[in-house]
Amino acid sequence: EVQLVESGGGLVQSGGSLTLSCGASGFTFSSFWMHWVRQAPGKGLVWVARINGDGSSSNYADSVKGRLTISRDNADNTLYLQVDSLRGEDSAVYYCVRGGVASSGFDKWGQGTLVTVSS
Amino acid sequence: SYVLTQPPSVSVAPGETARIPCGGNNIGSNSVLWYQQKPGQAPILVINYNSDRRSGVSERLSGSNSGNTATLTISRVEAGDEADYYCQVWFSPSAQWVFGGGTKLTVL
Repeated sequence: EVQLVESGGGLVQSGGSLTLSCGASGFTFSSFWMHWVRQAPGKGLVWVARINGDGSSSNYADSVKGRLTISRDNADNTLYLQVDSLRGEDSAVYYCVRGGVASSGFDKWGQGTLVTVSS
Repeated sequence: SYVLTQPPSVSVAPGETARIPCGGNNIGSNSVLWYQQKPGQAPILVINYNSDRRSGVSERLSGSNSGNTATLTISRVEAGDEADYYCQVWFSPSAQWVFGGGTKLTVL
């Protein structure tokens, strides 16, 4: 069974940094693009970043470029998202998501980890 | 960047048909995906490649895409269909995935 389990969320101060982790199991992790999607409380889904299977290529949403860094460790089946210079607008549930083959969509989602930025 | 526009809410009576539009500039030339999200849960992919239902998804859900509007249609709506629905496309010029703002389906 495919499982994606996020961790690392919590209450953080504005201006600070944090790193979210996502442990993957039940599939060949290195064969899939992986994504982070966030959702502010009561708001819609926002794609923030993606990384290819071997970690050599990544893309970001315009709204987060320069502050977020996506990475992965295929030996450990783990996806990461580092968020720097935290702002109130970064408060959200962050979902770790597996990309399906050939742009077939985001076929597996974790349950998400909540990040709350305090001023 | 590319913008997808959805109405914030759609309401239908049980047994009726719900249509949830997703507007975008020449969206008909893109492959559209649809997600369903129930309260407190992660989203699930229900439709990909404009109209292909994922395994296990009710046949009452269908998708279409032409011109500047893609549409998710839910026939014979049931109380269990109440959820937020999001459209999504891949915008290749900027190598970004884009979600619509989401539509809350209410069953009256």
